[in-house]
Amino acid sequence: EAGVAQSPRYKIIEKRQSVAFWCNPISGHATLYWYQQILGQGPKLLIQFQNNGVVDDSQLPKDRFSAERLKGVDSTLKIQPAKLEDSAVYLCASSLPLGVAKNIQYFGAGTRLSVL
Amino acid sequence: TQLLEQSPQFLSIQEGKNLTVYCNSSSVFSSLQWYRQEPGEGPVLLVTVVTGGEVKKLKRLTFQFGDARKDSSLHITAAQPGDTGLYLCAGASGTSYDKVIFGPGTSLSVIP
Repeated sequence: EAGVAQSPRYKIIEKRQSVAFWCNPISGHATLYWYQQILGQGPKLLIQFQNNGVVDDSQLPKDRFSAERLKGVDSTLKIQPAKLEDSAVYLCASSLPLGVAKNIQYFGAGTRLSVL
Repeated sequence: TQLLEQSPQFLSIQEGKNLTVYCNSSSVFSSLQWYRQEPGEGPVLLVTVVTGGEVKKLKRLTFQFGDARKDSSLHITAAQPGDTGLYLCAGASGTSYDKVIFGPGTSLSVIP
C-alpha cells in the first residue's frame, strides 16, 4: 500500500514570498490533516478535512495560510506571504473515519520550509 | 484548552538500560496514541490505547493508559540504538470529528 506522498521535500524561500505544498493521502482515506512542526516541538494541527470539507481550521493563520482539497483526494497548503517564523516542517497525514481507526494517522515525510 | 505534557523532554541512556517516558494531561481522552518520529521522517504509530488502565506490549515496549484516561506511560526494556527518536503522544478528544492533539515529545538517544 502506498503511503502519504508529499512534495517538495525541501523548500527555501525569502520572507514575503509565496510557497505551496502538495499532499496525496493514502487511497480511501477520507480524513486529511496538515500539521506544522517547529524544531523541537510536537506537530500542531493547522487544518483537518473530511472529504473536501473543513472540520477544523481553528489554528490556521488565515491571513496568510490557505488550504484546499477540491476533489476530496489530494490537497495543497499555501503560505502567502511567508514570514521568518513559518520556518518549520509541514506534515500531511491521512486517516480512515471508521471507529477507533479514525484516530490512527499515517504521516508523510513532510516538507521542510526555510524562510530567509 | 486541552494540553498534553511529556517528560522528560530529552533522555540519553546507554544501550541495555531501561527507561520510562510519561504523557500527562488534565483532560480526559477517548483514546491515546504513541508515535515515534525519526529525523527527516513523519511520525509512525506505535500503539493506540482506548480503555482506562489498559496495558499493551509491543516487543520491548510497554504502554499503559491511566485509569482516568488522562495520562500514559511508555516503558522500554533493554534499550537499543534503533530506539533512538522522538516519542510523541497524541490524545483524541472524542468529539464528532475526534480532534487529536500532540504532546511536545520526548527526544530519546540510546548510546551504543
